[in-house]
Amino acid sequence: QSALTQPPSASGSPGQSVTISCTGTSSDVGGHNFVSWYQQYPGKAPKIIIYEVYKRPSGVPDRFSGSRSGNTASLTVSGLQAEDEADYYCCSYAGSNNNVVFGGGTKLTVL
Amino acid sequence: QVQLVQSGAEVKKPGASVKVSCKTSGYTFTNYIISWVRQAPGQGLEWMGWISAYNGNRNYAQKLQGRVTITTDTATSTANMELRSLRSDDTAVYYCARSFNWNDVQFDYWGQGTLVTVSS
Repeated sequence: QSALTQPPSASGSPGQSVTISCTGTSSDVGGHNFVSWYQQYPGKAPKIIIYEVYKRPSGVPDRFSGSRSGNTASLTVSGLQAEDEADYYCCSYAGSNNNVVFGGGTKLTVL
Repeated sequence: QVQLVQSGAEVKKPGASVKVSCKTSGYTFTNYIISWVRQAPGQGLEWMGWISAYNGNRNYAQKLQGRVTITTDTATSTANMELRSLRSDDTAVYYCARSFNWNDVQFDYWGQGTLVTVSS
């Protein structure tokens, strides 16, 4: 199962918005609603910030939003803050053989 | 509160096996799925497999089939991951993570990670 495709890096200034894409296929990202996003700081475990394409767990700021168009899911971070500088990973149920697949990760830099 | 606490770092030689444990607390163990995810140094996340703590059903990533075994011990609310025939590219931080269903990829709690180093 191939990894989902994410840009390796993204950046924005404080207060701006940044969108990170996650491209898969109709067998994973485009085939159902089980798509999630994770934020990871260096040396720490990932933290879920979006699940089922656009839902936010309790405690996650509404500056984080998720969406999907076709086989591409997107994470938008609005009103960028310094603390948003981290790695972000998308994840999807892949359907065949009950697999799970992650994106390659995007390093978000707040300028 | 929900906690997943993993066993400590390991150093292994190529060809050896490693077993990493994930002791859970703060929730009903058998109501959830435990998945294992690894991260090689400077690399992204890689899903390894999952197990239902309810009935023991499990599934593994195709590339690890035959080398990985995930088990649970309901008496101690612990999940274990064994990886055999270790190679240098198995050097990674290994995480356990909880989800409610096997396919929802909603990993809401994670262990702290266990570094496994494979070196001769």
